[in-house]
Amino acid sequence: KNEVEQSPQNLTAQEGEFITINCSYSVGISALHWLQQHPGGGIVSLFMLSSGKKKHGRLIATINIQEKHSSLHITASHPRDSAVYICAAYNTGNQFYFGTGTSLTVIP
Amino acid sequence: NAGVTQTPKFQVLKTGQSMTLQCAQDMNHEYMSWYRQDPGMGLRLIHYSVGAGITDQGEVPNGYNVSRSTTEDFPLRLLSAAPSQTSVYFCASSYSYRDTEAFFGQGTRLTVV
Repeated sequence: KNEVEQSPQNLTAQEGEFITINCSYSVGISALHWLQQHPGGGIVSLFMLSSGKKKHGRLIATINIQEKHSSLHITASHPRDSAVYICAAYNTGNQFYFGTGTSLTVIP
Repeated sequence: NAGVTQTPKFQVLKTGQSMTLQCAQDMNHEYMSWYRQDPGMGLRLIHYSVGAGITDQGEVPNGYNVSRSTTEDFPLRLLSAAPSQTSVYFCASSYSYRDTEAFFGQGTRLTVV
């Protein structure tokens, strides 16, 4: 059983669509991270949140601590958003648990 | 400010060879960690360090050694490479071990033949 589950695994969207990626976790956490991995392989941190909601440009991340659930939203999606999005739960034992990622393709 | 520098980017080893993957950060981060990424499995923690002189095992530590003699450097050593260690390896760092943004290196694609 994975401590962090993401859905969907794969997602194809038309440019301009609103996208939601979901993350559920079973461990106690001190923070939840959303990461972006580009086709070249590099990983970039998008958000780190422990409560509520954060927004950066067209990206919005929310977390519900009671339900152990987080979502990443992309508004007005663009082909350059095509990447793998990874949810990572940072638990109180100083360890990261990663989801297997959501592969997003945005078609022009 | 280089961030997290990880070398090499690519490496091919023969079974039984040893090697060291280098990771350095110039952000004075306390927390550094190594992960491997395998298809369909997500990133898995190998070893981590919460400060110079302190290291601990993660989820998949067997076959790997680490040390943290300075704040900046956190090398990962493969003692005797095995085909099962073929993977993509990432080093990451953050200012503290909780509640701060993580910065990742560019990754090392390792193939053991």
